[in-house]
Order: sequence, then structure tokens, then C-alpha cells
Amino acid sequence: GNSVTQMEGPVTLSEEAFLTINCTYTATGYPSLFWYVQYPGEGLQLLLKATKADDKGSNKGFEATYRKETTSFHLEKGSVQVSDSAVYFCALRSGSARQLTFGSGTQLTVLP
Amino acid sequence: SAVISQKPSRDICQRGTSLTIQCQVDSQVTMMFWYRQQPGQSLTLIATANQGSEATYESGFVIDKFPISRPNLTFSTLTVSNMSPEDSSIYLCSVEDQGEKLFFGSGTQLSVL
Repeated sequence: GNSVTQMEGPVTLSEEAFLTINCTYTATGYPSLFWYVQYPGEGLQLLLKATKADDKGSNKGFEATYRKETTSFHLEKGSVQVSDSAVYFCALRSGSARQLTFGSGTQLTVLP
Repeated sequence: SAVISQKPSRDICQRGTSLTIQCQVDSQVTMMFWYRQQPGQSLTLIATANQGSEATYESGFVIDKFPISRPNLTFSTLTVSNMSPEDSSIYLCSVEDQGEKLFFGSGTQLSVL
């Protein structure tokens, strides 16, 4: 079956630090990959996505590259801000399934 | 993008009672999903609800415990029946819109005493 393994948190960084949150997956076929973000008190929002190998998704300074050879979709940001403090979820959708399979989530706290 | 209104946003319930969660979307959508997020864990799909047909439940979830209604293309309800403390979770409604985009409601935080 499908599964997503995500770097455990919590992660605490200082403002302007470099961020990496690791995500690897197991799936049949060629899944689409997603990063969702959940800010305090809000619902999940799509942050970025990639639908095929070597695609790079990007949004709000965050990037993730679909690496088929390593089955990974690591999230990166060059300089985090306090406002980036949230929980980040890696997810995949495989084949004809319309629902998502989520990773466990990573809590990020950015300190001023 | 779809805007989802979910209510209640939180509730504290007694063991053995039932709670119905409502999900209202501002546009017509074919597929609606109900997820559960247990404390400190990831999201788990409970069921998929399509208008005009019975919901499809994932392994470990049954209709008697989590009955779902989908009367039209903009509304759905999930009931958590005969609650126990193990049902304490965040319950999230999600819809698919514009291809692969999934949108989520802000969730219902349920605590069962």
C-alpha cells in the first residue's frame, strides 16, 4: 500500500535559518506529491505540489523536488520567518485514488 | 478555490452520546472526504462521500459508527456515534476542486469525557 514517512519534529529554528523537512514515500505507480501546511487554528492549505519525476513545486519561498530515484519530496526554504511556524504535512495521491495519504506532520517553530 | 465552512469548530461531549459535524462548501463538488486527525498523529481517511450514493468507508471505519449524509453537491454531515474517549480527535472535511486540488475545512476538535 501507499505510505509517507516524514521527518519527526518538532523542529525549532531561528529566523532566517535554512529549513529542510524530509519526506519519503512508498507508492504503486507514479504518485502525485504534495506539501500541506496547517497554521495555528486554521485548516490545511495546499503549499505546493509536483505531479511527475523531477518536477519542482514552489510557493512562498518553499520548494520541493520530486525525486523518483530516491522516492523523496523534501521541503526546503532558504530563510524561514516567524510566520512560517506551522505544522507541515507531506502527502501523496496514487493511481485513480482521489484521496490523499498523509505523513505524520512536522511541527515547525521559528524564533525571532 | 473552494471555501469550506465546518461546524462546530469544537465540542466537548459525554461518553455514549453522538455528535453531527456539518460541512458546507461554497461551490458544487463531486467528491467530499472526511478525515480524522488523532492527537499527535497524521490524518486518516474515514470515508469518501459522493452525492447520490452511499459513502465508501476505509478499513477500520464502519457506517454504524460514522454515518455520513450527502444530500446535495454542497453539503455533507459526519456523525460520530456512541462516543468514547478514543474518539477524541480533530475531524476534517475535504473537497476536491479544480483537478487535483484538495481543500480542507478548519476542522472540528472533539473531546469526549
